[in-house]
Amino acid sequence: DTAVSQTPKYLVTQMGNDKSIKCEQNLGHDTMYWYKQDSKKFLKIMFSYNNKELIINETVPNRFSPKSPDKAHLNLHINSLELGDSAVYFCASSQDPRLPGLSTDTQYFGPGTRLTVL
Amino acid sequence: TQLLEQSPQFLSIQEGENLTVYCNSSSVFSSLQWYRQEPGEGPVLLVTVVTGGEVKKLKRLTFQFGDARKDSSLHITAAQPGDTGLYLCAVHGSSNTGKLIFGQGTTLQVKP
Repeated sequence: DTAVSQTPKYLVTQMGNDKSIKCEQNLGHDTMYWYKQDSKKFLKIMFSYNNKELIINETVPNRFSPKSPDKAHLNLHINSLELGDSAVYFCASSQDPRLPGLSTDTQYFGPGTRLTVL
Repeated sequence: TQLLEQSPQFLSIQEGENLTVYCNSSSVFSSLQWYRQEPGEGPVLLVTVVTGGEVKKLKRLTFQFGDARKDSSLHITAAQPGDTGLYLCAVHGSSNTGKLIFGQGTTLQVKP
C-alpha cells in the first residue's frame, strides 16, 4: 500500500564503511530522486533518475553512487562513509517533469533513512 | 545566500492561536510549493501556487503568492496540535528536471 518506501529506516555505522539505502515506488512514476536533509533540517537534492537514466547530479562527492535497476527502484550506495554524511536521506518520485504540463508535478517522498556515522 | 528565505525559523504557540509563515526571495518564480513534514516522515505537498496574487485555502490553512511572484505566505487559523511540524516552501529549478529548491523551513510547535 505504501507509495514510496525506503530501507532501512535507521542506519548506524562506523566511519570508512560502505553502505546502501534502498528505495522503491509503486506509483508507476518514471522519475525518482534522492534528497539529503542535514541536522538543521535543510533539504537539498542530490540525484534524479528518469527511467534508469541519470538526469540530475548535484555537487555530491563521488563516494555517493545512485543505481537504478528499473524505474521503480533507486538505490543509493555510499563508500568510505564520513562523519559529515550523517543526515536523513529521502527518496522521492514523480511523473516525468520533462513532459508537457508536468514540470511541477507532485513529488512523493519516502519516510526517510536516518544515517548516523560514528 | 539562500534562494528562499523562510521566517520565522521556529514558532511555538498555544492551540487556538493564529500564525503566519513567510517565504521570501529576490527572484521571480513561475510557481511555488508548500510542504509539511511531520517528525519521522517525509515532506508532503500541501499546495502549489502559480499566479501572482493567488490565494488558496486548505481548511484552516491559507496560502498566498505575492503579486510579483517573489514571495509567499502561509497563514494558519486557530492552530491545533496536529499542525505541528516543519513547513517548507520550495520552487523548481529553471530546467524541467524536477529539481526542487527548498527554503530552510519553519518549525512549528502547537501546544495543547
